[in-house]
Amino acid sequence: GQQLNQSPQSMFIQEGEDVSMNCTSSSIFNTWLWYKQEPGEGPVLLIALYKAGELTSNGRLTAQFGITRKDSFLNISASIPSDVGIYFCAGLRDGGATNKLIFGTGTLLAVQP
Amino acid sequence: GAVVSQHPSRVICKSGTSVKIECRSLDFQATTMFWYRQFPKQSLMLMATSNEGSKATYEQGVEKDKFLINHASLTLSTLTVTSAHPEDSSFYICSARSSGVWDTQYFGPGTRLTVL
Repeated sequence: GQQLNQSPQSMFIQEGEDVSMNCTSSSIFNTWLWYKQEPGEGPVLLIALYKAGELTSNGRLTAQFGITRKDSFLNISASIPSDVGIYFCAGLRDGGATNKLIFGTGTLLAVQP
Repeated sequence: GAVVSQHPSRVICKSGTSVKIECRSLDFQATTMFWYRQFPKQSLMLMATSNEGSKATYEQGVEKDKFLINHASLTLSTLTVTSAHPEDSSFYICSARSSGVWDTQYFGPGTRLTVL
């Protein structure tokens, strides 16, 4: 199935550093979502973006919906050890009752205290 | 946020047996639920879309006779892996769609299936 391209694939940083990751697609999405997944758990929604150009924050997290509707980025400021996990972007193209999410390839984040 | 549960969290079974996984939306009604499969170090891949009271819609390459989905109520969907084989071992995750202004999906904690 289709997947969105995420980069970087993995990041190993020191506590306190800022993190930036992005997600790109060859096709347009109407909604972008960012999830975090910890080992053995399901994804947890972090931020949802509904309009092109939208910039939304959730605590230390900031995400933007690209103007072209083909990309999105997620920033984490002042990282802490509990930020460790895999971050997935997801795009939603279809409206109505279907609402199928297309997931990105994931970015593994490791934070060293 | 909305809560979605899955049961069991882990299951180990012998090859050839069938396994049923339940997905429940605990504090909201979900007309649509989704089933995903995630192999180690990979992303989530959608298997099927489950609509309450109707047949599930399967993604290309997913065998509907092998992965039986039932969505009998607005809070429960089940996935049955029939005649399981070792290659079916994976992390199965469901999500439930919460409609409204914040129209998005909330995920369950996942079920780890190991087929011996």
